[in-house]
Amino acid sequence: AQSVTQPDIHITVSEGASLELRCNYSYGATPYLFWYVQSPGQGLQLLLKYFSGDTLVQGIKGFEAEFKRSQSSFNLRKPSVHWSDAAEYFCAVGPSNDYKLSFGAGTTVTVRA
Amino acid sequence: DVKVTQSSRYLVKRTGEKVFLECVQDMDHENMFWYRQDPGLGLRLIYFSYDVKMKEKGDIPEGYSVSREKKERFSLILESASTNQTSMYLCASSPRGYTFGSGTRLTVV
Repeated sequence: AQSVTQPDIHITVSEGASLELRCNYSYGATPYLFWYVQSPGQGLQLLLKYFSGDTLVQGIKGFEAEFKRSQSSFNLRKPSVHWSDAAEYFCAVGPSNDYKLSFGAGTTVTVRA
Repeated sequence: DVKVTQSSRYLVKRTGEKVFLECVQDMDHENMFWYRQDPGLGLRLIYFSYDVKMKEKGDIPEGYSVSREKKERFSLILESASTNQTSMYLCASSPRGYTFGSGTRLTVV
């Protein structure tokens, strides 16, 4: 069975500070891993994805994520957050780009001035 | 860009009503998915489809059915709506990663 745990329900960060969102997954084979962002009232937008190759993945909006197989983790980072990064972030795992994905419960990010 | 359109942003229905949630994608995608999103639970898969007239149950199919008569349209049906089906419903299509619609917030009263 595949599953995702996002340990942090809510994170508050100051504008300009760094951000790290944690994601731990359970999957029996080599997983596809994803991070999505959901702004208020919107659908989910793909930030980045990983399947193979370099374990540090660059995405849109200045985000990056690092795959650590030994820790079953895929943490999302941004060096300097902007007020527009306030949103809910979801980590997801699945066997491919197209097959059914399992999502974490999400982490809500609040950015304070 | 691929567009996934969900016909309603907000819906209010009465208990026992039959409810149809429509999803249309415009890029000839084979795969379509219905998820529901609830606070603290993330997204949970209800049904998915890999081809016309094909459907498979996801993790929480009880109380729902789906229809895919045309490739571009994937409908979610609540046969008899109940208050515990009050939720945000998200449709997605793929390949090469999911593209999500904006969601339908359904309230069952």
